[in-house]
Amino acid sequence: SYELTQPPSVSVSPGQTARITCSGDALATRHGYWYQKRPGQAPILLIYKDTERPSGIPERFSGSSSGATVTLTISGVQAEDEADYYCQSPDISGAYPHVFGTGTKVNVL
Amino acid sequence: QVHLAESGGGVVQPGRSLRLSCAASGFKFRSYGMYWVRQAPGKGLDWVAVILYDGSKGYYAESVKGRFTVSRDNSKNTLYLQMNNLSAEDTAVYYCAKEAPGDDYSGLDVWGQGTTVTVSS
Repeated sequence: SYELTQPPSVSVSPGQTARITCSGDALATRHGYWYQKRPGQAPILLIYKDTERPSGIPERFSGSSSGATVTLTISGVQAEDEADYYCQSPDISGAYPHVFGTGTKVNVL
Repeated sequence: QVHLAESGGGVVQPGRSLRLSCAASGFKFRSYGMYWVRQAPGKGLDWVAVILYDGSKGYYAESVKGRFTVSRDNSKNTLYLQMNNLSAEDTAVYYCAKEAPGDDYSGLDVWGQGTTVTVSS
C-alpha cells in the first residue's frame, strides 16, 4: 500500500480558518475522505469523495481537491474542533485498501 | 438506530490468540463492506482488514497478513477478527466500521466505540 502525507499539526485561533492538506500520488485520480478523531471517541466521517459532506456535519467543514492533494478546511474554528484529522484514499488502482493519512493535530489556541 | 459494538478485547500474552467480534444493528449488515481499523497508543489510525459485503474476499495490511483473519456471519449480523501470534506491536484500540452507502466507496460512516487489545507478558 502507499502513503498519504499530512502535516503533523496546525494551530489556529478561534474564529479563524484551518486548512489541512493531504498528499499522495493516487489523489490525482482518486477521491479523498476526511475523518475527525477525538481522544477516547470513535472517528467521524467529515467529508467523502473530496467535497461531499454527510448529513449532520457542520457547514464549517469543507473539502477540496487539486492535483495530488486534497484539503480539509475548517472555517470559523471552534474550541470543540481541537482534534486529530485523518485523510483516507484508495491507491491508484482504486481498489482496496483505503489507507489513512499520517494524521494532523489541530490545536485551537 | 445504526450501531456497531465491538467485544473480545483484553490482555493477552505475546504469541497467543484473540478473537474480536463486532455486533451490528439498525442496518442491512449483509449489504456493506466492513473494516477493522486500529489505533496504537499515541499513533494514528491504521487500517487492519476489510471484508466484502458477502464475505467472499478479505484484504489485510502487510503488518497482519498471515496472522489475522477477517470473517463475517451475515445471518448473525456479526463481524469477526481472528488474531493469532499476537505481538506487542498489535497493542491498540480496535474499531469496526461500516462502509457508507453508494455505488462506489463513500467512506466509513458508522464506527463502533472500540475494544482495547493489550499484548503483554
